[in-house]
Amino acid sequence: GAVVSQHPSWVICKSGTSVKIECRSLDFQATTMFWYRQFPKQSLMLMATSNEGSKATYEQGVEKDKFLINHASLTLSTLTVTSAHPEDSSFYICSARDRTVRETQYFGPGTRLLVL
Amino acid sequence: QKEVEQNSGPLSVPEGAIASLNCTYSDRGSQSFFWYRQYSGKSPELIMSIYSNGDKEDGRFTAQLNKASQYVSLLIRDSQPSDSATYLCAVASSASKIIFGSGTRLSIRP
Repeated sequence: GAVVSQHPSWVICKSGTSVKIECRSLDFQATTMFWYRQFPKQSLMLMATSNEGSKATYEQGVEKDKFLINHASLTLSTLTVTSAHPEDSSFYICSARDRTVRETQYFGPGTRLLVL
Repeated sequence: QKEVEQNSGPLSVPEGAIASLNCTYSDRGSQSFFWYRQYSGKSPELIMSIYSNGDKEDGRFTAQLNKASQYVSLLIRDSQPSDSATYLCAVASSASKIIFGSGTRLSIRP
């Protein structure tokens, strides 16, 4: 089956620093990738849709200047949390859409971010 | 009305019984339907997809789709403790956007 990787799986950083998370589709091309955030015991929350070669589309309430998304190739999207604060601590999960399999989304393993 | 609705649970089912998870959706133009399983602290994992009315079976899992009633369900036969997780229903809308339900927590009691 389709595999999506994320790196790093865990990151701890000081308040005010920036953190970059990578999402890669390993065995298929993904023109569209998605970034989600999930707080403990809560539902997935879509943050933004990342399209290869164009600007990301952000959901209402998500600050585009704080969460920078770059989809530089058909297999790689990155999310940079700029000037991270403790309230940004969360589980960040990417997914990639495989258009050859009826719009199916495959999820990466997630990145747990802790901002001190 | 939410676009994809699920009962949040928890749904408690004895080991060996059938667990039945339900989902309704609002967009009549939806064409693709998915069930994901999410263990606590992990990311969602695709377990079933269904595109046409009727039943689709894969091992102990059966997905059922009724487009007229805008209803999709997942049956898990011979439930095991390892099936305890949150199950997310996802629907690809007519705009090719996938909408997730908030999930149903399933607990299989030994």
